[in-house]
Amino acid sequence: GAVVSQHPSWVICKSGTSVKIECRSLDFQATTMFWYRQFPKQSLMLMATSNEGSKATYEQGVEKDKFLINHASLTLSTLTVTSAHPEDSSFYICSARDPGQGAHRAYEQYFGPGTRLTVT
Amino acid sequence: QQPVQSPQAVILREGEDAVINCSSSKALYSVHWYRQKHGEAPVFLMILLKGGEQKGHDKISASFNEKKQQSSLYLTASQLSYSGTYFCGTELDRDDKIIFGKGTRLHILP
Repeated sequence: GAVVSQHPSWVICKSGTSVKIECRSLDFQATTMFWYRQFPKQSLMLMATSNEGSKATYEQGVEKDKFLINHASLTLSTLTVTSAHPEDSSFYICSARDPGQGAHRAYEQYFGPGTRLTVT
Repeated sequence: QQPVQSPQAVILREGEDAVINCSSSKALYSVHWYRQKHGEAPVFLMILLKGGEQKGHDKISASFNEKKQQSSLYLTASQLSYSGTYFCGTELDRDDKIIFGKGTRLHILP
């Protein structure tokens, strides 16, 4: 199956600093990637849709100046949490849409392993 | 727009069956099912596209009703490895974003 990687797996940073998380599709080209945030025992909340070569589309309530998304290539999207605060601590998961799944008319979406961010 | 999953949680003994439902107030283009274990990312199980479609793998199967507003996931003769939280994700249109339900926590007892 399609593989998506994320780096780092976890990060601890001080309040006010910025953190960059990378999401890579390893064996397919992903024109669209998604960034989710998940709090303990809660659902996956979509933050933004990242399209290669264009600006990301943010969900309502997500600050685009705080969560910077760049999708510079067909295999890499990055999420930068700027001026992080303790309330930004969460599990951030990316997913990538695989366009090469044959007869499907909907694209399968595969998740990366996630990045646990702790802001102290 | 968030799909509604039921039940919220299920406790089973190994070998028992379970059904998880996912419903929407709008007609759906597709339904995606995932399983997530604690501390890990969700793992893709299957997509359903066509009304009336049913598909499965091993002892996990799913259906998508004709009106395309509800899907059910069936776990037959559950195994300990089936434990986790199951999420359904729904698309309203092709190439649309997937919106996930709140999840159903499944715990299998030996």
